[in-house]
Amino acid sequence: AQSVTQPDIHITVSEGASLELRCNYSYGATPYLFWYVQSPGQGLQLLLKYFSGDTLVQGIKGFEAEFKRSQSSFNLRKPSVHWSDAAEYFCAVGARNFNKFYFGSGTKLNVKP
Amino acid sequence: DTEVTQTPKHLVMGMTNKKSLKCEQHMGHRAMYWYKQKAKKPPELMFVYSYEKLSINESVPSRFSPECPNSSLLNLHLHALQPEDSALYLCASSLLGGQPYNEQFFGPGTRLTVL
Repeated sequence: AQSVTQPDIHITVSEGASLELRCNYSYGATPYLFWYVQSPGQGLQLLLKYFSGDTLVQGIKGFEAEFKRSQSSFNLRKPSVHWSDAAEYFCAVGARNFNKFYFGSGTKLNVKP
Repeated sequence: DTEVTQTPKHLVMGMTNKKSLKCEQHMGHRAMYWYKQKAKKPPELMFVYSYEKLSINESVPSRFSPECPNSSLLNLHLHALQPEDSALYLCASSLLGGQPYNEQFFGPGTRLTVL
């Protein structure tokens, strides 16, 4: 069965510091992987996605993620965090043959001034 | 137009009321979704429509009734809800129904409170 694990419920970083949010997935075939961000009371915005090819993908707002098949991971990174990055981040895996996402439980990012 | 719109933004209803949530997109997407999101939790899939036909129903109680009148519009009809149904209801759409790898575009959600 497909599943997504985000081990960190809360992360606090200082503004300007680097960021890495962890995502591990369980999936029997080639996964389709996504990172979404959600500001309080808002919908979800796609940051980036991985389907195939280059394992380092670039997204919006300066985010990138690296797919590591051997570790079943798809970690999100940003070299320098801005206060506006404070939000909830969800990793998701898309199921083959069905229009269905499996979301991780989310990581809430706080940014210290 | 690259957005999914949802109305109303907020809804308060009693347990005996009937109300509807509306979702609209004009991106030519042929798959549309309803999700329910409780506080501090990820979105939970409720329904999927592909080419205006219901393709996935995640065992949602019958007090929630989806409707897809056309390829741009998705409704969620609510009747006899319970207080535990209070949540953020998110609509999403994606480019091709039946394809697994198209990202979903989400609307801002309707904040529902059931008294």
